[in-house]
Amino acid sequence: DTAVSQTPKYLVTQMGNDKSIKCEQNLGHDTMYWYKQDSKKFLKIMFSYNNKELIINETVPNRFSPKSPDKAHLNLHINSLELGDSAVYFCASSQPGGGEGTGELFFGEGSRLTVL
Amino acid sequence: AQKITQTQPGMFVQEKEAVTLDCTYDTSDPSYGLFWYKQPSSGEMIFLIYQGSYDQQNATEGRYSLNFQKARKSANLVISASQLGDSAMYFCAMRGTSGGSNYKLTFGKGTLLTVNP
Repeated sequence: DTAVSQTPKYLVTQMGNDKSIKCEQNLGHDTMYWYKQDSKKFLKIMFSYNNKELIINETVPNRFSPKSPDKAHLNLHINSLELGDSAVYFCASSQPGGGEGTGELFFGEGSRLTVL
Repeated sequence: AQKITQTQPGMFVQEKEAVTLDCTYDTSDPSYGLFWYKQPSSGEMIFLIYQGSYDQQNATEGRYSLNFQKARKSANLVISASQLGDSAMYFCAMRGTSGGSNYKLTFGKGTLLTVNP
């Protein structure tokens, strides 16, 4: 059973198009995330949600709209795609840090987006 | 705000030798967690080891150990008896405890480790 699954794994699209990436976790975690990994491998937080509520929006352009229909799902929709959006997008989940847990992130396999 | 610094873009090690990957951090949070992740060329992110800021002992997980020096704000990863399969990108990361920092991990830029046969 895949703990955090995201689809599709690959997207190739033209500038100006709209695309979505779906993410689901079966770990029972309360918190879900979207990270962007650029061509230099730098991982940057985009959004985090806790129990369907947006907690962190790290100055992401409003062309990016996350949606969490329930705490097991966090989808990412991107409007009007630009060349600079080309990257690998990782979904992740965790329990909040502190307490008895470490709060480590469990990552999906990543979705590689290429904008032409 | 949290900041993670990994000053070694790349490291080389001979198979079966030990290697230390450096990580320094900066935070104003009174407590925090430090993590190391491995990303092989296949792209998945693999959690390796965790150190809590109030843990009395340095964390160990198999061949991985974390050399935590709180006063120096460093959390270096030590890999003993390197194997060819250890060749990968390694990321140091931190989770804070205030101002929403509990709801994200901040990552360093990574160190690319190459294990030579």
